Amino acid sequence: AQKITQTQPGMFVQEKEAVTLDCTYDTSDPSYGLFWYKQPSSGEMIFLIYQGSYDQQNATEGRYSLNFQKARKSANLVISASQLGDSAMYFCAMREDLNDYKLSFGAGTTVTVRA
Amino acid sequence: EADIYQTPRYLVIGTGKKITLECSQTMGHDKMYWYQQDPGMELHLIHYSYGVNSTEKGDLSSESTVSRIRTEHFPLTLESARPSHTSQYLCASSDQGPTYEQYFGPGTRLTVT
Repeated sequence: AQKITQTQPGMFVQEKEAVTLDCTYDTSDPSYGLFWYKQPSSGEMIFLIYQGSYDQQNATEGRYSLNFQKARKSANLVISASQLGDSAMYFCAMREDLNDYKLSFGAGTTVTVRA
Repeated sequence: EADIYQTPRYLVIGTGKKITLECSQTMGHDKMYWYQQDPGMELHLIHYSYGVNSTEKGDLSSESTVSRIRTEHFPLTLESARPSHTSQYLCASSDQGPTYEQYFGPGTRLTVT
């Protein structure tokens, strides 16, 4: 079964607007971590934000925030005030069992920011 | 700033050749990983290592092999390259915490003709 589901293959957003990228996950472990990575066309993976399953507050890092809804097993990424440099592929990932270190990745969402 | 390096960045090679993709990190991280990614697709873990002389296969079966003789070095080898091995290979490492986020290298884009 797919552990991470990203249902939006591609999205367009106007510069300076906010965009929400969906991510749902499937795990029976009570302890897990959720990550978002950005992959520009150059290919490298850039870590954006992390949310632990026991974190009481939604994670934020600059223009990135994570809308964590534990009961719905949802961890959506919100990018505020989009910039042209935000155009990239975005991947949601999960580390199950905090004693393990491997990540499972979703299929990714391509974001294109329009001027 | 993460310091993890991969060479070569691009490689075009003929079928049957032996290749080694290099990955090095200068952060002293114990944990290292290799992922395979087809263009525009998700990453699949093919190998990982949690320390020197420790290697494991990942979720995606791969004909490649890895070694971890030194903490900083985690090379991936294909004994006989085939067109089906054409893909991007990403190396990553992670430290002790608290989130254990993985830092990625720039990747190697391999084309086997």
